[in-house]
Amino acid sequence: DGGITQSPKYLFRKEGQNVTLSCEQNLNHDAMYWYRQDPGQGLRLIYYSQIVNDFQKGDIAEGYSVSREKKESFPLTVTSAQKNPTAFYLCASSLNPGQSNQPQHFGDGTRLSIL
Amino acid sequence: AQSVTQLDSHVSVSEGTPVLLRCNYSSSYSPSLFWYVQHPNKGLQLLLKYTSAATLVKGINGFEAEFKKSETSFHLTKPSAHMSDAAEYFCVVTPFNAGKSTFGDGTTLTVKP
Repeated sequence: DGGITQSPKYLFRKEGQNVTLSCEQNLNHDAMYWYRQDPGQGLRLIYYSQIVNDFQKGDIAEGYSVSREKKESFPLTVTSAQKNPTAFYLCASSLNPGQSNQPQHFGDGTRLSIL
Repeated sequence: AQSVTQLDSHVSVSEGTPVLLRCNYSSSYSPSLFWYVQHPNKGLQLLLKYTSAATLVKGINGFEAEFKKSETSFHLTKPSAHMSDAAEYFCVVTPFNAGKSTFGDGTTLTVKP
């Protein structure tokens, strides 16, 4: 079955450490997204990519970095500059970023906590 | 600029009674509108979408939503709640030019036996 796989499901970070969250999709979608979800809040966009080797900052990009070297992969690095990284991180993809009627497909998320 | 307001942060219903989750939006031009459901520690799953065709949209699991342009609303309804409907629901708007989507803050639906 096609879908989006996020790993790991749970991740712990020590102070001053960078960690990378994996996101892989086999839907052949062009666009991929990273969101952060905090309790009682909606999703906030961190980064998005509409095509391989290109990505744009979302609303809360500070302290995060991404790469898009392959169509199916869009890893997110949470750097030590992100002072409050504890959150639930969701990766999504959509078929054609140029069409507003395309829904996003989501992975099951990674929960990041600080040790 | 666009925005989404989910008017209730929590809704509680009894099993077998109707569900109404309210969503108002603002967008400069004709947007696409979506409802997603999220169960605990899971990703979001698409329930239904409005994309300028029929104003009454039917989705999965018996949910439907009506697009009312004059009221800038896109409320989600279900005639009879089931225990498995207990989850978080998000209303999402995407502008016609396929810019960034805006998510509402979510509505937690509780279903009492």
